[in-house]
Amino acid sequence: NAGVTQTPKFRILKIGQSMTLQCTQDMNHNYMYWYRQDPGMGLKLIYYSVGAGITDKGEVPNGYNVSRSTTEDFPLRLELAAPSQTSVYFCASSQLAGGDNEQFFGPGTRLTVL
Amino acid sequence: GDSVTQMEGPVTLSEEAFLTINCTYTATGYPSLFWYVQYPGEGLQLLLKATKADDKGSNKGFEATYRKETTSFHLEKGSVQVSDSAVYFCALSGAGGTSYGKLTFGQGTILTVHP
Repeated sequence: NAGVTQTPKFRILKIGQSMTLQCTQDMNHNYMYWYRQDPGMGLKLIYYSVGAGITDKGEVPNGYNVSRSTTEDFPLRLELAAPSQTSVYFCASSQLAGGDNEQFFGPGTRLTVL
Repeated sequence: GDSVTQMEGPVTLSEEAFLTINCTYTATGYPSLFWYVQYPGEGLQLLLKATKADDKGSNKGFEATYRKETTSFHLEKGSVQVSDSAVYFCALSGAGGTSYGKLTFGQGTILTVHP
């Protein structure tokens, strides 16, 4: 049982390039989330999904897109990378929403945009 | 909106010292409260949680009590170890039927424990 996996672990992009951050979970969770973590800050929600085919914006969605074609996968797309998107990105999943909502996190992707 | 405030860090302690990391929150209704821990190079993992007022969450020697009257959820451990060195995040999950279980995080507190 691998839990939540993310690829790549590290990436350096040039301004204007695009890339997709991959996220897969094998726990059959309905809910999936993308967060970014900036130095000295807590995590901020970028996008979330409550099930296959359903996605919605979080607090900081600008510059990102997501899709959820299967229960397992929730990729995050950066279309035109900007230095402000330099951050560590975490994918998470959970079975429940609300009070008993334990989210399981992947190991993160460290992205640098130069 | 919901918010979480953690004590300013970083915190540096000697092994076997007592640890307190303060956390206060602002939310409507009765949120659930969590402490997550992030070890170097890893993702976050749940340390403990409490889902209603006066509940005490505990795990691995860490404890936190949900205090609604002071809107606090302070993390404590009686005797820290070097292996406890990590970043600790306080978080809440909104009450009132939040449809997607959004977590609101504090800024994190870096704990370093020296032998």
